[in-house]
Amino acid sequence: ETGVTQSPTHLIKTRGQQVTLRCSSQSGHNTVSWYQQALGQGPQFIFQYYREEENGRGNFPPRFSGLQFPNYSSELNVNALELDDSALYLCASSSRVDTYYGYTFGSGTRLTVV
Amino acid sequence: GQQVMQIPQYQHVQEGEDFTTYCNSSTTLSNIQWYKQRPGGHPVFLIQLVKSGEVKKQKRLTFQFGEAKKNSSLHITATQTTDVGTYFCAVNFGNEKLTFGTGTRLTIIP
Repeated sequence: ETGVTQSPTHLIKTRGQQVTLRCSSQSGHNTVSWYQQALGQGPQFIFQYYREEENGRGNFPPRFSGLQFPNYSSELNVNALELDDSALYLCASSSRVDTYYGYTFGSGTRLTVV
Repeated sequence: GQQVMQIPQYQHVQEGEDFTTYCNSSTTLSNIQWYKQRPGGHPVFLIQLVKSGEVKKQKRLTFQFGEAKKNSSLHITATQTTDVGTYFCAVNFGNEKLTFGTGTRLTIIP
């Protein structure tokens, strides 16, 4: 059983650029959630994908968008990067059928916007 | 919006001492989850509590869900250096998103 894999692990971008982060969910999980974690803060919910549809969104602007693919992997896209977008981006997979085991998080992508 | 308050924000304890973190909500919760995040790491699921007054143990960790299902606690007995990290409670308010508490950062003094 594989866990959640995120790529890349680190990324440096310039303000105004666009970025795509990728996530492979754990085997057997059909739901993917994305979180932003600023330094010293708790994870903040960005959005969740289930069956390739966005299923719940947090308080993030439309320049944060995502996709889920038939194999349940997912992408997070951020356009027009701002300095405040610098954070750890976490992907978490889960099963709609069995929530007892909680969310499985990937190791995250550390994004720095300069 | 709906949120959960977690206290304390920081806790420094001598190795061997006990540690407790508390999570409080103004609304009744259907369930609550606890996660641990090591420094530089990612959140790792510890447990989910569902029933009113539920108490669950994992070795030195004891998790409790309040009778009114509005609060929860995590207690660690005889802390060890491996317990270092930030402990988060997390709640699903029924809108498909898992809302995390503010976390309690535990530091162990050897």
